[in-house]
Amino acid sequence: QEKVQQSPESLIVPEGAMVSLNCSFSDSASQSIWWYQQHPGKGPKALISIFSNGNKKEGRLTVYLNRASLHVSLHIKDSQPSDSAVYLCAVSSGGSNYKLTFGKGTLLTVTP
Amino acid sequence: EAAVTQSPRNKVAVTGGKVTLSCNQTNNHNNMYWYRQDTGHGLRLIHYSYGAGSTEKGDIPDGYKASRPSQENFSLILELATPSQTSVYFCASGDWGVGTLYFGSGTRLTVL
Repeated sequence: QEKVQQSPESLIVPEGAMVSLNCSFSDSASQSIWWYQQHPGKGPKALISIFSNGNKKEGRLTVYLNRASLHVSLHIKDSQPSDSAVYLCAVSSGGSNYKLTFGKGTLLTVTP
Repeated sequence: EAAVTQSPRNKVAVTGGKVTLSCNQTNNHNNMYWYRQDTGHGLRLIHYSYGAGSTEKGDIPDGYKASRPSQENFSLILELATPSQTSVYFCASGDWGVGTLYFGSGTRLTVL
């Protein structure tokens, strides 16, 4: 069974700071790695995904994947108070029998 | 954006009672999922389905049944509810193989 570990558990940063979130996974055969954002009382919402080794940038978000070390990170540039949320790392597997395994999340607080 | 609707939003049940949580999606996605979210455990997969008439066990299926009578609807059934099933339950949908999962807003279930 896939295991997904996230760090740190929580993080407080001032507005405008660069945020770095980490995720490690156990199965080298895992397919894509996803980052989801979850605001209080809401369901998770997909932010960005990556499949190949290297990095991928979308707006203020950059994700880095290193399959050899089974590690992925999410970086948020110029953080805003509206970025305050729980960030969930998820690893996909299964092809047509597709499912996501989630980490426990990192609670990010961006202070004005 | 994909729409996933869960009902009810909140539910209080008694130990030993039967509980049915409902989920409807309007985007013709093949796959649907039920997760529960608990502090300290994150999101855990209970059951999923990759089409009408099919259900598959996830990582924590014990004490739960699922039903997928149509492409749009996916239910989670607790035949004999227990206090340990107190949690927030999320339904999600997505397409085969790859792609984003779209989550509903969740059902908060309390079993007394």
